[in-house]
Amino acid sequence: NAGVTQTPKFRVLKTGQSMTLLCAQDMNHEYMYWYRQDPGMGLRLIHYSVGEGTTAKGEVPDGYNVSRLKKQNFLLGLESAAPSQTSVYFCASSYARVYEQYFGPGTRLTVT
Amino acid sequence: KNEVEQSPQNLTAQEGEFITINCSYSVGISALHWLQQHPGGGIVSLFMLSSGKKKHGRLIATINIQEKHSSLHITASHPRDSAVYICAVNLFRNQFYFGTGTSLTVIP
Repeated sequence: NAGVTQTPKFRVLKTGQSMTLLCAQDMNHEYMYWYRQDPGMGLRLIHYSVGEGTTAKGEVPDGYNVSRLKKQNFLLGLESAAPSQTSVYFCASSYARVYEQYFGPGTRLTVT
Repeated sequence: KNEVEQSPQNLTAQEGEFITINCSYSVGISALHWLQQHPGGGIVSLFMLSSGKKKHGRLIATINIQEKHSSLHITASHPRDSAVYICAVNLFRNQFYFGTGTSLTVIP
């Protein structure tokens, strides 16, 4: 089992460009999450999904969109990247709401 | 406003010492998580608690729901325990708040 994987691992974007981060899990988990981690701050929840075809906003959703067309995949999109979106992005999944979360390795994104 | 506060922010210990990391939170929760972030950046879940105490190897986690406080203890610390330890709370509405982490260095 690969667990939770994220693609890509690193990316540099220019302001205004768009991109999609892919998260995939092979544990048949219902819940999936996207977080961002910035220096001096805790992880913050961007969006989450409680099942295939569902998405919901977290603490910091502005500037991001998500989709969960297949149960195993959760996509995070940046339509028009801004320098404030420079961060490390983590995806996680869990069997249900109050269960242990499994994290992906992270994607380091720099927006210049 | 920080819903989750951890202390200390940084901690240096000698190998073999008993270590305690504290977490206080200000909101009603359904569960509390302790995570470990390795120097390479990867995050691993150590414990999920909604009451009482859990033990795994040299790690022990406790929670006091009434006092809104949790502790993570490491017995007989080892240099491989060096990492950032993060406390996170799971609210009833599937929201999560994370502490900023405690950076632990264990010196041989």
